[in-house]
Amino acid sequence: AQSVSQHNHHVILSEAASLELGCNYSYGGTVNLFWYVQYPGQHLQLLLKYFSGDPLVKGIKGFEAEFIKSKFSFNLRKPSVQWSDTAEYFCAVKSMTTDSWGKFQFGAGTQVVVTP
Amino acid sequence: EAQVTQNPRYLITVTGKKLTVTCSQNMNHEYMSWYRQDPGLGLRQIYYSMNVEVTDKGDVPEGYKVSRKEKRNFPLILESPSPNQTSLYFCASSLTALYNSPLHFGNGTRLTVT
Repeated sequence: AQSVSQHNHHVILSEAASLELGCNYSYGGTVNLFWYVQYPGQHLQLLLKYFSGDPLVKGIKGFEAEFIKSKFSFNLRKPSVQWSDTAEYFCAVKSMTTDSWGKFQFGAGTQVVVTP
Repeated sequence: EAQVTQNPRYLITVTGKKLTVTCSQNMNHEYMSWYRQDPGLGLRQIYYSMNVEVTDKGDVPEGYKVSRKEKRNFPLILESPSPNQTSLYFCASSLTALYNSPLHFGNGTRLTVT
């Protein structure tokens, strides 16, 4: 079955520390990949997306992600986090194969807490 | 302002009482979809619509219905709600499902079924 797996459920780190969140997916065909962020009490907002080309994509707020096709991974990184990065982060995969066109799947989310 | 609007934001109801959660977008998006968010499970897709009069089941469609009679609206209907449908629901839209269009989310509807 198709799935999206996020490696960590909770991450706690200090301001200025580096962040890396893992995401693996199990789709066999062409996919679009996304990272979304959900700040407390708010809806999901797009951080970045990948569909083709340079496997290293840059998003908003200093985030970047690297697509490694051979590992079916799309890991999110930020070199130096701030307290305002406290949020839940979701990896998402959109299938581009004809038998499941339009289906989005999300990972379970990673709750990130940044301490001052 | 471009947005996805869901109503109501909060809803408490009893088992078996039919309800509808409305969703409307003003961006002329073709694609719309519904999700439920539960702790530890992330977002799970309930139904999606590629365009007017075209709807498909997501991963968790049981107990839900949708309709897409016009482009801007995509209501979620619970004919006979049960307590296991207590959840946070999000509607989302994107320009199209055919390319790398990201989803734009509404503010969510927190539903409690007693």
